[in-house]
Amino acid sequence: AQSVTQPDIHITVSEGASLELRCNYSYGATPYLFWYVQSPGQGLQLLLKYFSGDTLVQGIKGFEAEFKRSQSSFNLRKPSVHWSDAAEYFCAVGAHNAGNMLTFGGGTRLMVKP
Amino acid sequence: NAGVTQTPKFQVLKTGQSMTLQCAQDMNHEYMSWYRQDPGMGLRLIHYSVGAGITDQGEVPNGYNVSRSTTEDFPLRLLSAAPSQTSVYFCASRPYGGGNTEAFFGQGTRLTVV
Repeated sequence: AQSVTQPDIHITVSEGASLELRCNYSYGATPYLFWYVQSPGQGLQLLLKYFSGDTLVQGIKGFEAEFKRSQSSFNLRKPSVHWSDAAEYFCAVGAHNAGNMLTFGGGTRLMVKP
Repeated sequence: NAGVTQTPKFQVLKTGQSMTLQCAQDMNHEYMSWYRQDPGMGLRLIHYSVGAGITDQGEVPNGYNVSRSTTEDFPLRLLSAAPSQTSVYFCASRPYGGGNTEAFFGQGTRLTVV
């Protein structure tokens, strides 16, 4: 069965600083990988996804993520954080089976200092 | 365009009561699923459906029932509420395909069992 680990429960960065959120996955084949963001009191919104091809994927709101098969990682990055980026971020892996349901990591809560 | 609609947004139940969380989508998606979100544990899959009349259990199905009589609706039933079911519940839908299709989430239902 697949699993996802997000090692950092909380991260605080200063506005304008760079950001990297870590994600490690366990899956037997080439994974489908996703990053979702959840603003307070809201549902989840897709930031970006990786299926195949170029290992650096671009998403919305200036985010990008890099798939590294050798490290089983899919870290999310942003060069300059804005106060509005404060939210909870979830990494997820999608299975190849008929259900194709997502398995989520525990989430990383990002706080942004002015 | 409504997307995925969950009702109610908030609910307080007494231990032993039953209730149904409603989920409806207007995107004609084949796949629907229910997750619960608990602090530090991310989202965990309760039940899912790959089409009308077809449901299956996820990671944490105990205490919950589902049915899928139409493509649009996927209600989640709590049979006899317990304090351990206090959580935020999310319904999601995604189109038919491999595990690489985007999941769309509702706004969530915050349930408290006292």
